[in-house]
Amino acid sequence: SAVISQKPSRDICQRGTSLTIQCQVDSQVTMMFWYRQQPGQSLTLIATANQGSEATYESGFVIDKFPISRPNLTFSTLTVSNMSPEDSSIYLCSVGTGDQPQHFGDGTRLSIL
Amino acid sequence: SQQGEEDPQALSIQEGENATMNCSYKTSINNLQWYRQNSGRGLVHLILIRSNEREKHSGRLRVTLDTSKKSSSLLITASRAADTASYFCATDAANDYKLSFGAGTTVTVRA
Repeated sequence: SAVISQKPSRDICQRGTSLTIQCQVDSQVTMMFWYRQQPGQSLTLIATANQGSEATYESGFVIDKFPISRPNLTFSTLTVSNMSPEDSSIYLCSVGTGDQPQHFGDGTRLSIL
Repeated sequence: SQQGEEDPQALSIQEGENATMNCSYKTSINNLQWYRQNSGRGLVHLILIRSNEREKHSGRLRVTLDTSKKSSSLLITASRAADTASYFCATDAANDYKLSFGAGTTVTVRA
């Protein structure tokens, strides 16, 4: 399976600031997704990162708050903008190709003060 | 949105015992996947079962799928302390590949 590197692994940020999370895969993949896991909760899909075009956001998530880039088939970034304590979560990228298992990065644990 | 419900929410067993957890979902699926998460880290993929399959095995893991009941189960046999983790089921609809996760089952294996 693909090796997924997600950076940073954790961060503590001040409210009102923004943080960009990177997801790098060691092989080309068709699909990349970003998920959020709030404390003690399950995972919720934020958006599908589309290569060369705008991401597709799920209900409740907007581009101004979570801008996403995907310049090629091996790399994507998620920015969490204008952060508030409610954004404290684990953010995870996942990758997949066709009808195969999706694999996840180790996640970014984000705390907002 | 969360499509799946998992049962039980938490499970505590003795090392060597079997652990069974169940997942139910609401709409037709393409695949169902099971994942393990240790202490808020990333998710580790365990098994993928397709909608036309009924049972799959991987080592000490056994997964069943009943599409008529819209449910799946994960059995861990001869549990070990290292199996202590949260387990999630996730489903994707046909031609979609976006995963909807269940609430998860927290398993504690006592030495």
